[in-house]
Amino acid sequence: DSGVTQTPKHLITATGQRVTLRCSPRSGDLSVYWYQQSLDQGLQFLIQYYNGEERAKGNILERFSAQQFPDLHSELNLSSLELGDSALYFCATSVGGGGPRETQYFGPGTRLLVL
Amino acid sequence: GENVGLHLPTLSVQEGDNSIINCAYSNSASDYFIWYKQESGKGPQFIIDIRSNMDKRQGQRVTVLLNKTVKHLSLQIAATQPGDSAVYFCAENHHGGSQGNLIFGKGTKLSVKP
Repeated sequence: DSGVTQTPKHLITATGQRVTLRCSPRSGDLSVYWYQQSLDQGLQFLIQYYNGEERAKGNILERFSAQQFPDLHSELNLSSLELGDSALYFCATSVGGGGPRETQYFGPGTRLLVL
Repeated sequence: GENVGLHLPTLSVQEGDNSIINCAYSNSASDYFIWYKQESGKGPQFIIDIRSNMDKRQGQRVTVLLNKTVKHLSLQIAATQPGDSAVYFCAENHHGGSQGNLIFGKGTKLSVKP
């Protein structure tokens, strides 16, 4: 158990809908990263927040957004959902700002199925 | 597990044998590498890391080897056990990058036969 929690574990929704995924970091971790894992793309970095501020952006669609709250938990919002958004969504957390040698610890993931 | 690609390389080993999982990385500027293990239905789990100023690092039953000349990374698992069955990913990050995001390889599925 990494100490990172994610809810919900599973999510089934329809195209065009909007969902929110939640991540709670390990105690003391200030950075939260969001990743998407799909069958054809593997693990892809989406976005990073550090202490409430956006730190880095990866392959995140404009339909997707995230935020980190004062208590350091983070939410990933996915809107106008498409079938291709079906994937596993992981958050990872690290203690600092995400320097190049900082270990990231992953949560158990949220499995999203868009029908 | 359904969280892996359909065409992952697969390594099948007998319980008790040693396993070697290989990874080629792409960015010669990468200076930090991590191996993660992902069991079915779970998130990636940190196994071991190595910095580019090293060519070998050992953990408990695992060893990571780094060959910067050919941009190759390997994970050796000694006395492989059924619980080692999982998908193994290498990940890289590079010095000077302002981003802490990791670049993951496609993964190798390790199957341990009892």
